Amino acid sequence: EPEVTQTPSHQVTQMGQEVILRCVPISNHLYFYWYRQILGQKVEFLVSFYNNEISEKSEIFDDQFSVERPDGSNFTLKIRSTKLEDSAMYFCASSEEGQSTYGYTFGSGTRLTVV
Amino acid sequence: GQQLNQSPQSMFIQEGEDVSMNCTSSSIFNTWLWYKQDPGEGPVLLIALYKAGELTSNGRLTAQFGITRKDSFLNISASIPSDVGIYFCAGQLLGGAQKLVFGQGTRLTINP
Repeated sequence: EPEVTQTPSHQVTQMGQEVILRCVPISNHLYFYWYRQILGQKVEFLVSFYNNEISEKSEIFDDQFSVERPDGSNFTLKIRSTKLEDSAMYFCASSEEGQSTYGYTFGSGTRLTVV
Repeated sequence: GQQLNQSPQSMFIQEGEDVSMNCTSSSIFNTWLWYKQDPGEGPVLLIALYKAGELTSNGRLTAQFGITRKDSFLNISASIPSDVGIYFCAGQLLGGAQKLVFGQGTRLTINP
């Protein structure tokens, strides 16, 4: 069964450093997403990406965040200057169509720890 | 913002018991999804609901999409140890974009 893969599984970084989280969505999917889950809390939407541009973003996704699809397979989330409160699990997801009806699949996540 | 209210927050049951959890919202949803999350893993889709009033089963799991499109329940029958985890409802708003709005989760613990 096709999977969304994320690397690294765990990243520790110092406050103020830049981090890049990487994702390989399912190959025939057209929509890509990043979500965040602070420990013990619910999953929160960050950003959706379609046709090489952001289609929607939440208020969490401020100027410190950016996304990119640098080639035909990778989808990245960059945090320019990490803060302690950025510590969370970050999940990438992809879907076949705009509606979440079909094949909305999540990766296993990257645990980001900011110290 | 849009909110899904999920209850209960946690459940402690005996193996073999049936489980029921639900989500409600003041907003109308186009699609309703139920996910299970194991520790350190991403959400895994259990059941997807597309039509108001729809009742769908997946093995021992049954879920229904409320007729008003504002609520849903998930039932698990004859629970087994591997059912342990956190269950999340998630919805896509009617007329909204592709994002999912998640409930707060129900943590299920099973005593053998």
